[in-house]
Amino acid sequence: KNQVEQSPQSLIILEGKNCTLQCNYTVSPFSNLRWYKQDTGRGPVSLTIMTFSENTKSNGRYTATLDADTKQSSLHITASQLSDSASYICVVSESYIPTFGRGTSLIVHP
Amino acid sequence: EAQVTQNPRYLITVTGKKLTVTCSQNMNHEYMSWYRQDPGLGLRQIYYSMNVEVTDKGDVPEGYKVSRKEKRNFPLILESPSPNQTSLYFCASRLAGVVNEQYFGPGTRLTVT
Repeated sequence: KNQVEQSPQSLIILEGKNCTLQCNYTVSPFSNLRWYKQDTGRGPVSLTIMTFSENTKSNGRYTATLDADTKQSSLHITASQLSDSASYICVVSESYIPTFGRGTSLIVHP
Repeated sequence: EAQVTQNPRYLITVTGKKLTVTCSQNMNHEYMSWYRQDPGLGLRQIYYSMNVEVTDKGDVPEGYKVSRKEKRNFPLILESPSPNQTSLYFCASRLAGVVNEQYFGPGTRLTVT
């Protein structure tokens, strides 16, 4: 069964600090990996999309990496801001069928 | 403004009373899908559609129906809602091709008593 595991489940950091979120998956065959940011009670918003051949993708202060050999991805957030407080969801797809991770809840304190 | 809209945003209903949640997008996207989000389980795909008149089951289709008669609309139908369908529902759309950005609607919070 395809699975996506995210860690940590929750994380608290101080404003201005960096952090890294992890995503391990067993989805096969692999099509693409996405990271989303979801504010409480709102729809997810796309941060990055990577295919098998890409190993890094940036979107402002967000940088995602992908190691397709070990089936691991990470999302690095640089110089965190209060507005980064949200849930971050890793989604791995085989063609049109996505498998969602349960998310990492990030809280940024001033 | 490019967006995905859902209606209603909040709904409380009773077991067995048929309901429809509408979803509409103004971006001319071919692909549309429905998800439900439950605490501790994350998002799960209910149904998806790759184009008009083309729909397919996702991970949790039981108890739901969909239709895609027009490109912009993708309604979710609960013929006989049950309490285990109490959830937060999201509609999403994107262009055809598996690596295009997907846009989510604002969500519909459904409670079935």
